Amino acid sequence: AQKVTQAQTEISVVEKEDVTLDCVYETRDTTYYLFWYKQPPSGELVFLIRRNSFDEQNEISGRYSWNFQKSTSSFNFTITASQVVDSAVYFCALSAHYGGSQGNLIFGKGTKLSVKP
Amino acid sequence: SQTIHQWPATLVQPVGSPLSLECTVEGTSNPNLYWYRQAAGRGLQLLFYSVGIGQISSEVPQNLSASRPQDRQFILSSKKLLLSDSGFYLCAWSVPLYRGSNEKLFFGSGTQLSVL
Repeated sequence: AQKVTQAQTEISVVEKEDVTLDCVYETRDTTYYLFWYKQPPSGELVFLIRRNSFDEQNEISGRYSWNFQKSTSSFNFTITASQVVDSAVYFCALSAHYGGSQGNLIFGKGTKLSVKP
Repeated sequence: SQTIHQWPATLVQPVGSPLSLECTVEGTSNPNLYWYRQAAGRGLQLLFYSVGIGQISSEVPQNLSASRPQDRQFILSSKKLLLSDSGFYLCAWSVPLYRGSNEKLFFGSGTQLSVL
């Protein structure tokens, strides 16, 4: 079965704190892709990152960083020095190709991040 | 550049009424198209996807249907809405696999549907 679990439903931090959003996934596929999306209050989902299953290098983009650990099936997302504009719901997603599917994304339930000034 | 349009932004419908949500994509050809629903506390659920005109795959059984009458048009419909159909509906597109898709989804701005 394929599944994405975001155990943290809501997180609240004060501006400038670092925060890590957890994501654990399950898949039988050996080739798969992991994503993070941000959903600000406007509702539209914004793509943040895509990582394939063969690339376990961590990635940093400005204040954002991602830690992919295949051994624990986790793909965690850290925001350093959080800002109020980071307040949003963040979704982790998995795309696999079993059964010839088109790589449709399976989303976690999301983590609502509130950054207070 | 590519853009995706989804309308209406909000919709309030009585139980038993029909539904039609429309989504169009500009700036690309033969995209993969998707309808997702986001119900409160349940994350995003894939409802339908389409790889071409007239080709619709359903991921979950329900009283909703989808159609793709044109290459860049995707319509979500229902003949009779249920209370449980309330939610936030998102249309999305992606580059198809045969064109080297990186499977990145581009989402529309969503439709908040309230069935009363």
